[in-house]
Amino acid sequence: DTAVSQTPKYLVTQMGNDKSIKCEQNLGHDTMYWYKQDSKKFLKIMFSYNNKELIINETVPNRFSPKSPDKAHLNLHINSLELGDSAVYFCASSQTSGANTGELFFGEGSRLTVL
Amino acid sequence: SQQGEEDPQALSIQEGENATMNCSYKTSINNLQWYRQNSGRGLVHLILIRSNEREKHSGRLRVTLDTSKKSSSLLITASRAADTASYFCATVSRGGGYNKLIFGAGTRLAVHP
Repeated sequence: DTAVSQTPKYLVTQMGNDKSIKCEQNLGHDTMYWYKQDSKKFLKIMFSYNNKELIINETVPNRFSPKSPDKAHLNLHINSLELGDSAVYFCASSQTSGANTGELFFGEGSRLTVL
Repeated sequence: SQQGEEDPQALSIQEGENATMNCSYKTSINNLQWYRQNSGRGLVHLILIRSNEREKHSGRLRVTLDTSKKSSSLLITASRAADTASYFCATVSRGGGYNKLIFGAGTRLAVHP
């Protein structure tokens, strides 16, 4: 009964390929996020959806495209992968968003390695 | 841009000692949160402190907030080897529209048996 689950946990691929990471939450939250954690452990927000609507879209290359088919799912598709995309990608969800953002619940992360 | 910055970047202590981590931020906030991340795992929420609160406790954790200095501290008392992890502060900035929870770079805590 994992709260936020993301797959795959590990992804190793060649430059130029396209890959997707999937995320699902069973907490009934309206808001979901994608964060990227680099090799120095710095976490940066990429996207956020509230009830399937994109509400945060940081300065991320348009090779990254999130999709939320329903409020329990938020997927991340990456086109034409580059070496610099190697990182751990975390999905998260929260009950509230915006100025009242409360506790975030994180998945276990998807480690992407681009060769 | 990074909102919170933790200090120190790394901390090494013996079991039983107290560990104090500090966080400074730049803009006005609605709340400040502390998270823990074990190696290879996701982040886990520890404590949320609102801008009108000055101190909060949870078990062996004590968080303080000084909005005049734009800083917060996380104290772990009587540390255990299992407390070894990275600790992050995160802030939600005050303002209109959709604000973001922005994380600092973290403090890596090592507790030695």
